[in-house]
Amino acid sequence: NAGVMQNPRHLVRRRGQEARLRCSPMKGHSHVYWYRQLPEEGLKFMVYLQKENIIDESGMPKERFSAEFPKEGPSILRIQQVVRGDSAAYFCASSPRGGWDTEAFFGQGTRLTVV
Amino acid sequence: GNSVTQMEGPVTLSEEAFLTINCTYTATGYPSLFWYVQYPGEGLQLLLKATKADDKGSNKGFEATYRKETTSFHLEKGSVQVSDSAVYFCALSDGAGGTSYGKLTFGQGTILTVHP
Repeated sequence: NAGVMQNPRHLVRRRGQEARLRCSPMKGHSHVYWYRQLPEEGLKFMVYLQKENIIDESGMPKERFSAEFPKEGPSILRIQQVVRGDSAAYFCASSPRGGWDTEAFFGQGTRLTVV
Repeated sequence: GNSVTQMEGPVTLSEEAFLTINCTYTATGYPSLFWYVQYPGEGLQLLLKATKADDKGSNKGFEATYRKETTSFHLEKGSVQVSDSAVYFCALSDGAGGTSYGKLTFGQGTILTVHP
């Protein structure tokens, strides 16, 4: 059973370009979480999705950021018109169900660098 | 809101030394508590967890006890190995009755380096 797969592992974008980060959850997992880790900081929650639904996006910046988890295919975190402050590691986690005591399995992350 | 505070790092130890990484939290209700480990170049892996007061989580020689009275979940290991070198994250999730759906609040992470 493959783990959570994120791609690309490293992504370089120029200011103003779009960044698309992909996350394929573990088989049988329908719950996906995205976190962002800024340099020298811990992981911060961004958004929680179930198949075709955004459940909690309280950690998402109001502009330029969006996320989806379609019925088929990976979850996508999309950042439009990237700025230098978007440079960070973005981690995806999946779980078989939501819940306060459920283990979340993390991917290796995508390291975004904006130049 | 919820928050997690970890001891400032980095921590450098010799092999077979005793390890403690402090973690305290602020939360409403009864959160679940977790320690995650991140080895170089990899994603986070769950190391151990505790879901109610006085529970002790343990795995691979690591232990942590959920202390509600001191709002702490300190990580300990009696004898560290070079292979334990990694970044360790303390985290919490809203407990039963919360609405976080498993959303985690993380501490800032502690870098551990173990020398032979």
